[in-house]
Amino acid sequence: SQQGEEDPQALSIQEGENATMNCSYKTSINNLQWYRQNSGRGLVHLILIRSNEREKHSGRLRVTLDTSKKSSSLLITASRAADTASYFCATDANDYKLSFGAGTTVTVRA
Amino acid sequence: EPEVTQTPSHQVTQMGQEVILRCVPISNHLYFYWYRQILGQKVEFLVSFYNNEISEKSEIFDDQFSVERPDGSNFTLKIRSTKLEDSAMYFCASIPQGRTGELFFGEGSRLTVL
Repeated sequence: SQQGEEDPQALSIQEGENATMNCSYKTSINNLQWYRQNSGRGLVHLILIRSNEREKHSGRLRVTLDTSKKSSSLLITASRAADTASYFCATDANDYKLSFGAGTTVTVRA
Repeated sequence: EPEVTQTPSHQVTQMGQEVILRCVPISNHLYFYWYRQILGQKVEFLVSFYNNEISEKSEIFDDQFSVERPDGSNFTLKIRSTKLEDSAMYFCASIPQGRTGELFFGEGSRLTVL
């Protein structure tokens, strides 16, 4: 299976701190995507990084991809209470048939 | 901003009953997907749909499941005879013709099978 696996499962940080979560996967990919899910809500796309890219930024988000290690990281800088959510990595090896990891639950304390 | 809309937001049904979950993808999108998320578990791919036919389906998508695009806007998932283990959030997603990146997900339909 090429499913992404996130680490840690849960993360609790103070507002203003950075949050880092990691994702590992097993097989070759076209791209890797990160999604956010607020409790009981839908999935919101955050950022996509292609297999030939190593780093990408979007606002307070920074994503890295190491295809040799089959791993990715998502960094959220200067976290806010509104960042409290579950974060999922999803790998795309074929035609947007995404394989999601189990997610990292991030709690940002005010 | 255009969005994928799903109805119903929550449906409770008895085991063995048929359920239809509806999705209205974003209007200029051409590729459609259903995913599901059993409570506390991973989001799982069910099926992809393009040009009025299934492109790919997972092992989960067995004969009790079907998808249809009955008109130019709706995209439906039918579960013919629901089982307890079908209880989950079902997410519809779509992407535009260019397929340059993100999937646009709806808010989901929560199905509870009693």
